[in-house]
Amino acid sequence: DTGVSQNPRHKITKRGQNVTFRCDPISEHNRLYWYRQTLGQGPEFLTYFQNEAQLEKSRLLSDRFSAERPKGSFSTLEIQRTEQGDSAMYLCASSFGAGRETQYFGPGTRLLVL
Amino acid sequence: AQSVTQLGSHVSVSEGALVLLRCNYSSSVPPYLFWYVQYPNQGLQLLLKYTSAATLVKGINGFEAEFKKSETSFHLTKPSAHMSDAAEYFCAVNRDDKIIFGKGTRLHILP
Repeated sequence: DTGVSQNPRHKITKRGQNVTFRCDPISEHNRLYWYRQTLGQGPEFLTYFQNEAQLEKSRLLSDRFSAERPKGSFSTLEIQRTEQGDSAMYLCASSFGAGRETQYFGPGTRLLVL
Repeated sequence: AQSVTQLGSHVSVSEGALVLLRCNYSSSVPPYLFWYVQYPNQGLQLLLKYTSAATLVKGINGFEAEFKKSETSFHLTKPSAHMSDAAEYFCAVNRDDKIIFGKGTRLHILP
């Protein structure tokens, strides 16, 4: 068990560019979650997958955001046409089972949009 | 709808003193409650989790929390603070398969 990993750890981009983040969950965890954390706030739910199916998306997830988990293993989160307001820490978590199981978090990807 | 409120965005205690971080919850169903810790530039680490099995929950690093239904509280305590406890602490509740976090309390340890 190597824990949840995220890449890259840091990303600096210019406004209008596209960025993609990757999350590798704990192996055999069927659920994968994305959260966003801005300065001074707690993480906010964005979306989650059960295996390869995306089950829920927050209204925070505008149409510039898309997430995939094509084979039910790793996941990617893409932000198109980035805006300065997208600057945040993007956290990934995974869990095994259904419902209220403990979620284990990765180290996060910190995005800065200039 | 389930939510949590953390009282105090910053708390300072002296090394060796009692740590008390306050959290109140709102839930229409028996909640699952969590405390997570976040060190600078890192992800969140689970300290402890309440699942209705016992009202006093012991976690890692000497932390514990007590679920009090009558007060709708789930305060986090540690008898003796250590410098390494300086971090941000988040209280959270499970809602519809996702976690809803409080705004966090930054704990400062004074030498």
